[in-house]
Amino acid sequence: GDSVTQMEGPVTLSEEAFLTINCTYTATGYPSLFWYVQYPGEGLQLLLKATKADDKGSNKGFEATYRKETTSFHLEKGSVQVSDSAVYFCALSDNARSGAGSYQLTFGKGTKLSVIP
Amino acid sequence: KAGVTQTPRYLIKTRGQQVTLSCSPISGHRSVSWYQQTPGQGLQFLFEYFSETQRNKGNFPGRFSGRQFSNSRSEMNVSTLELGDSALYLCASSLSRDGYTFGSGTRLTVV
Repeated sequence: GDSVTQMEGPVTLSEEAFLTINCTYTATGYPSLFWYVQYPGEGLQLLLKATKADDKGSNKGFEATYRKETTSFHLEKGSVQVSDSAVYFCALSDNARSGAGSYQLTFGKGTKLSVIP
Repeated sequence: KAGVTQTPRYLIKTRGQQVTLSCSPISGHRSVSWYQQTPGQGLQFLFEYFSETQRNKGNFPGRFSGRQFSNSRSEMNVSTLELGDSALYLCASSLSRDGYTFGSGTRLTVV
């Protein structure tokens, strides 16, 4: 079955540090890949996505590249801010499932990021 | 453009009771999927509805059920509540497999 493995935190960084959160996946078909962010007490917000191999998703200084050869979708940001403190989830949507007629996401466990001034 | 609306935001129920949660998707989105989020198990898929039909279901007991109405609004029901059902329940609205917009969730506490 489908699965997503991401580095577990918590991760604590100083402001302006470089961020990498690793994410690897296993999927039956050709998945679309996502990063979602969750702030305390809130739902999930889409941070970025990539729908095919070698696509790069980017948003608010965050980037991730869909690497089919390594089945990875690592999240990076060059300079984190205190406001980036949140939980980050890597997720996939597998076309093998959507081809069978179901839209659903498979999530990693989440990585809690804390950025200190 | 209105987002995904989940009601209520918070619920406290007693063991053995049942509960119904509601999700109104983005206008034009016909797919609604539901997820349970707990500290121990993370985010787990419950079920997905499309045009009033359940297309897929996750690995949850039959106490968890749902439905979708002709206006695409969806409800999920949990009967005979257990302490372990305490969780944040999230729904997502989709046009395709490439886009999922989440609501703010319903926080269910079972006492």
